[in-house]
Amino acid sequence: DIVMTQSPLSLPVTLGQPATISCRSSQSLVYSDGNTYLNWFHQRPGQSPRRLINKVSNRDSGVPDRFSGSGSGTEFTLEISRVEAEDVGVYYCMQGTQWPLTFGGGTKVEIK
Amino acid sequence: QVQLVESGGGVVQPGRSLRLSCAASGYMFSNYGMYWVRQAPGKGLEWVAVIAYDGGNKHYAESLEGRFTISRDNSRNTLYLQMNSLRLEDTAVYYCAKDGGDWAFDAFDIWGQGTMVTVSS
Repeated sequence: DIVMTQSPLSLPVTLGQPATISCRSSQSLVYSDGNTYLNWFHQRPGQSPRRLINKVSNRDSGVPDRFSGSGSGTEFTLEISRVEAEDVGVYYCMQGTQWPLTFGGGTKVEIK
Repeated sequence: QVQLVESGGGVVQPGRSLRLSCAASGYMFSNYGMYWVRQAPGKGLEWVAVIAYDGGNKHYAESLEGRFTISRDNSRNTLYLQMNSLRLEDTAVYYCAKDGGDWAFDAFDIWGQGTMVTVSS
């Protein structure tokens, strides 16, 4: 199985400041079709997850442009350019390149 | 708008069975792959199973050891998860989620609100 490792586990941030979450996979996520199936999700307390980013850097519909994804191979990053109060919660990366689909352990973002 | 509504959760004894349902609306259900994902209390997300748009292809997490079966009824716009021989460690919120395509290359673009399954004696 591909192991997804996120860091940090917890991220206290100041409103209006940037935040960066890292995700590392135990194997390359480049699929045979040339795509890299790495997605990012946000889960607010008591809510269902919501997909933010698909295939490394494509923002989903309705996702604010302060969210951006980057990376390649085995190293990936989610950046929030200016954190807002609604951004608190847990962020997960997930790989869809190989079965079984696997998630990172999550990064909890909270406001300082 | 696209909506997924799970049902069927509850409290069940170890070794018993339960069937979850997920009613889809707001899009052409029969054109898209579907998933089940679970989240144990206070834990992270775990993919459970996937089914292709026409039910012709399925895949499961190996940890389930063949106890769960995913299925769909495209005439009823409904996804199912039959869970047999339930164990304490199956206690979780179970989410259904949609693929952005007909199989499994655009995973989890839309999620339901989840249904809680508690396995307890």
